[in-house]
Amino acid sequence: ETGVTQTPRHLVMGMTNKKSLKCEQHLGHNAMYWYKQSAKKPLELMFVYSLEERVENNSVPSRFSPECPNSSHLFLHLHTLQPEDSALYLCASSQDLGMGYNEQFFGPGTRLTVL
Amino acid sequence: GQNIDQPTEMTATEGAIVQINCTYQTSGFNGLFWYQQHAGEAPTFLSYNVLDGLEEKGRFSSFLSRSKGYSYLLLKELQMKDSASYLCAVRDSNYQLIWGAGTKLIIKP
Repeated sequence: ETGVTQTPRHLVMGMTNKKSLKCEQHLGHNAMYWYKQSAKKPLELMFVYSLEERVENNSVPSRFSPECPNSSHLFLHLHTLQPEDSALYLCASSQDLGMGYNEQFFGPGTRLTVL
Repeated sequence: GQNIDQPTEMTATEGAIVQINCTYQTSGFNGLFWYQQHAGEAPTFLSYNVLDGLEEKGRFSSFLSRSKGYSYLLLKELQMKDSASYLCAVRDSNYQLIWGAGTKLIIKP
């Protein structure tokens, strides 16, 4: 039990669907992250939130939309996705951003398949 | 650009020692992390180095040379459960983690 949960664990959607991924951390952390993990590729950082404020502006297509309603919850809203968006989407949290350990704790991920 | 290099796959024998190397070129350096990821599971934290030298934690040790942009993870007394991918990540000047693609370690009896 890592203290970070994600739902759903598996999701199959068509290109015209709208769906949302949910992440919840039970660790009292202040920072939360969304990553995309594709086979044999490095983890790609998508979004970073610190104290519910978005702090990272990576080049992520607008068909991905994050939401952080409070410090424990993070959502990733999906619409009009492409087949190349099929991947494992990982949520992570850390105590804070910045120096020191601040190691990231990961959820189990959502395996997304776009048809 | 920013780059983290590590071997794609390594094979070792149960009970032996294996060293997984990681070289990096990043915009700034604020620490290096090693994570373990079993197939179908979340990455889990193994070690953190911010100063040069060796950090030992049980059967696992991690080494860092900042001047060479180099780290390694040393696994001793290998067990079958050590079969996993090992991810190297560097915290850059923006305090974000830049990740390598991971090294898949296969342990044979």
